[in-house]
Amino acid sequence: EDKVVQSPLSLVVHEGDTVTLNCSYEVTNFRSLLWYKQEKKAPTFLFMLTSSGIEKKSGRLSSILDKKELFSILNITATQTGDSAVYLCAVEVAGGTSYGKLTFGQGTILTVHP
Amino acid sequence: GAGVSQSPSNKVTEKGKDVELRCDPISGHTALYWYRQSLGQGLEFLIYFQGNSAPDKSGLPSDRFSAERTGGSVSTLTIQRTQQEDSAVYLCASSLSPGNLWTQYFGPGTRLLVL
Repeated sequence: EDKVVQSPLSLVVHEGDTVTLNCSYEVTNFRSLLWYKQEKKAPTFLFMLTSSGIEKKSGRLSSILDKKELFSILNITATQTGDSAVYLCAVEVAGGTSYGKLTFGQGTILTVHP
Repeated sequence: GAGVSQSPSNKVTEKGKDVELRCDPISGHTALYWYRQSLGQGLEFLIYFQGNSAPDKSGLPSDRFSAERTGGSVSTLTIQRTQQEDSAVYLCASSLSPGNLWTQYFGPGTRLLVL
C-alpha cells in the first residue's frame, strides 16, 4: 500500500523563523511529488518535484527531493503570519490507470505568531 | 468564473438519505478528480475522470459511492444511504490533462455532515 508520512504534524513558530517540513514516502512506481498549501478549504499548488537533488524555489519557499532516501523537504525562510496553513505533501504514482492519482500525507499544521 | 466551483458548499443530511455533490471544472480541463478529507485526516483519493470516463475508481470506499461526468465538464458524486462516517469535506480538482498536475486546481469543497 502506498504511504506518505509528513512530520512534524504541527509546528508553532514566530515571524522571522525558518522552518523545515518533512515528507517521506513508500510507493510503487513513483512519478512525482507535490507540495500544497491549504488555507480554509482548497489546497493551492506550490511545487512539483520529479528529479533528485534539484531545488525548486519560489520566493521564501524552496523544496528538494531525494529519490534515493525517499523523502522531500519544504523550507520556508523569514516566516510571516500569512504562511500559517496546513502544508500537504502528495506523491503521484505512474502506470496503468493510476495516471494523475495522488496519495497525500496527513499534513503539517504551521502556525506563525507575530 | 475562472476557477473550479462546487455545490453545495455545505450539506447536512440524515443518515440513510442520498446526497449529490456537484463539481464544475475549469473550462478546457479534461481531467477531473474527487478527493475527500475527513476530520484530522489527509486528502483521500476517490476517483478521477479523463473526459467522461473514469479510468481509476479504486478510491471509492464502497458501492454506495458513485460518480459520473457528462459532456466532459460537470461531474456529480452521489452517496447513497449516507452513513455518519461519510461526514467529510469533499474536494474536486481539475487539470488540463492527468499528467499535468502543475495545472491542477482545487475547488472550495463541499462540507458534508451526516447526522
